[in-house]
Amino acid sequence: EVQLVQSGAEVKKPGESLKISCQYSGYSFSTSWIGWVRQMPGKGLEWMGIIYPGDSDTRYTPSFQGQVTISADKSTNTAHLQWSSLKASDTAMYYCARLSSSGKLDPWGQGTLVTVSS
Amino acid sequence: QSALTQPASVSGSPGQSITISCTGTSSDVGGYNYVSWYQQHPGKAPKLMIYDVSHRPSGVSNRFSGSKSGNTASLTISGLQAEDEADYYCSSYTSSNTLEVFGTGTKVTVL
Repeated sequence: EVQLVQSGAEVKKPGESLKISCQYSGYSFSTSWIGWVRQMPGKGLEWMGIIYPGDSDTRYTPSFQGQVTISADKSTNTAHLQWSSLKASDTAMYYCARLSSSGKLDPWGQGTLVTVSS
Repeated sequence: QSALTQPASVSGSPGQSITISCTGTSSDVGGYNYVSWYQQHPGKAPKLMIYDVSHRPSGVSNRFSGSKSGNTASLTISGLQAEDEADYYCSSYTSSNTLEVFGTGTKVTVL
């Protein structure tokens, strides 16, 4: 069974750094794009960016360029999303999902809740 | 790259049919037959309901169907049931370098 399992909830203070993960199992990690999605409290889904673990090709939507870093480790079948300096406005649920060549997102991880508060 | 446009809310009575629209441009919805729909219940991860405009993944009820005309895709839920009450999002493959764009989301209420 293809599965994406994300790391647990995080509570951080403004200015702190954070790296969350998305571990893949059930198929070849290197042969599909992995995407990250933000969902702020009570709001819709926002497409953040994608990575192709096979060659680490990484792309960001303009809103998130320079705000986060997406990476992948083929040796552990894990994708990462990281912040160097968190802001309160980064408080959200973050999902990873496999992106197929036709644009469908399946499966999804269970989500990682990030809370940034002083 | 702008989000695809969906109505904020749609409602219907049990047993009725409802349709949710998803309007984009020729760079996304209109340019490819790669529109997907996702259902999200409160506190849960989104679930794929329709892909490639009109295909249902295994296990998804045939009460859900998808279609497309020009730059607008649609999701129809027939025989509306209480369990269909959720948020629904469309997405489309896009010519932008990030490959995907989401809709604004629609809250479906079963009266």
